[in-house]
Amino acid sequence: DGGITQSPKYLFRKEGQNVTLSCEQNLNHDAMYWYRQDPGQGLRLIYYSQIVNDFQKGDIAEGYSVSREKKESFPLTVTSAQKNPTAFYLCASSLASGANVLTFGAGSRLTVL
Amino acid sequence: QKEVEQNSGPLSVPEGAIASLNCTYSDRGSQSFFWYRQYSGKSPELIMFIYSNGDKEDGRFTAQLNKASQYVSLLIRDSQPSDSATYLCAVRVTGGGNKLTFGTGTQLKVEL
Repeated sequence: DGGITQSPKYLFRKEGQNVTLSCEQNLNHDAMYWYRQDPGQGLRLIYYSQIVNDFQKGDIAEGYSVSREKKESFPLTVTSAQKNPTAFYLCASSLASGANVLTFGAGSRLTVL
Repeated sequence: QKEVEQNSGPLSVPEGAIASLNCTYSDRGSQSFFWYRQYSGKSPELIMFIYSNGDKEDGRFTAQLNKASQYVSLLIRDSQPSDSATYLCAVRVTGGGNKLTFGTGTQLKVEL
């Protein structure tokens, strides 16, 4: 079945550690996105990529980094520079043209201890 | 002013009633409008999208778009307890790449 796989589903991190969240899609989508969601809040865009080897900062990119070496993969690293990293992280993908409907993965919940 | 605004709710409606969810946006260059449903602890799932002024119906759901007034709404007919969720409005702006800007969501509670 086609879809987006995020891992891990739950992650605990100590302060000062970098962590990497995985996002893999087999939908043959060109564009991929990372959003962050805090309790009672909407989704805020961290980074997005419309093509392999290219990505752009979203609204809250500070303290995060990404790479897009393969079409299928768009990992997100939460660095120690991110001051408040505890959140629900959502990866999404879409075609580059047409309806551009976003399909989301199941999410990764990061908790900083 | 937030780019996409929604009343956070909760909006409570009795089972079988019509639920009306509203969303306003600030950028007149917005071209595409999306409604997502999100159950607690889960990821958003698309309900429907709309591009043109007017109504678009899909089963029990109707999206309404009024670009002149810069609002988009979602009507849910014959509301069911399973419709209880947070409904997110999202907007795509021309020239903004393919990224979506989301509202904070409206929590809907359908009561028995």
